[in-house]
Amino acid sequence: GAVVSQHPSWVICKSGTSVKIECRSLDFQATTMFWYRQFPKQSLMLMATSNEGSKATYEQGVEKDKFLINHASLTLSTLTVTSAHPEDSSFYICSASGRLGELFFGEGSRLTVL
Amino acid sequence: SQELEQSPQSLIVQEGKNLTINCTSSKTLYGLYWYKQKYGEGLIFLMMLQKGGEEKSHEKITAKLDEKKQQSSLHITASQPSHAGIYLCGADMLPRSGGSNYKLTFGKGTLLTVNP
Repeated sequence: GAVVSQHPSWVICKSGTSVKIECRSLDFQATTMFWYRQFPKQSLMLMATSNEGSKATYEQGVEKDKFLINHASLTLSTLTVTSAHPEDSSFYICSASGRLGELFFGEGSRLTVL
Repeated sequence: SQELEQSPQSLIVQEGKNLTINCTSSKTLYGLYWYKQKYGEGLIFLMMLQKGGEEKSHEKITAKLDEKKQQSSLHITASQPSHAGIYLCGADMLPRSGGSNYKLTFGKGTLLTVNP
C-alpha cells in the first residue's frame, strides 16, 4: 500500500532556531499533502494544505510566516518552523492521499524547543 | 461545539471481549476515515467509508457508516492486546473540489486498553 514517510521523527532545538520537517510519499505521487499538529492527549488539527507547485493554503489562526511550507515536487513537502519557541513544541504529522482516496499519514515528527 | 463527537473517550476491556466506538457528526459527511494511533506515533489507516450504509471489515475490525452519513461505528470482535491504542475518526465534511480536498476534521479519539 501507499506509504508516507516523515523525517526527522524527533528533533530538539534551541529557541530561535528554525527546523525543517520533510514529508515524502514513497510509492505514489501526491499533488496535495496536508500538515497537522497534535498536542499531547489531543486530536489532530489541520494546519495547512500543501499544493505542489503553488502556495500552501493555511487554516485560520496558523501563521504563514511561522510555518513555511514548500511542496517542490510530487513526492516531497517540507514544513519549516521558523524562529521556533517552546510553544511550538508539538507533534507534527503530514498526510497524502492515495490513488483510491485513502488518506495516509506519516509517522509524525516530535519537535521539542528548549 | 465539537463538530465530530467521538465516544467513549476511553475504554478498558478484557481480552476476548467485543467493543464499539462511535463517531457522530451534526453534518452530513462526504467521507469518514478510521485510524489507529499509538501515542506519539503516526496514524495507521484502518478504513474509509463514503457511501451511506456502507460497511467494511478487516480482520476483526468492522466499520459502518449510517444511511444518513452522519454516524459511524467501529466494532472490534474478540479484542486482543494488539488492538490497544488510540482510535481516531476523521471526517471529510466538505465537498471534494478538484477531487483532492481532503480536509479532515478529527474526533478527540478513544483510548482503548485491552487487559490480557
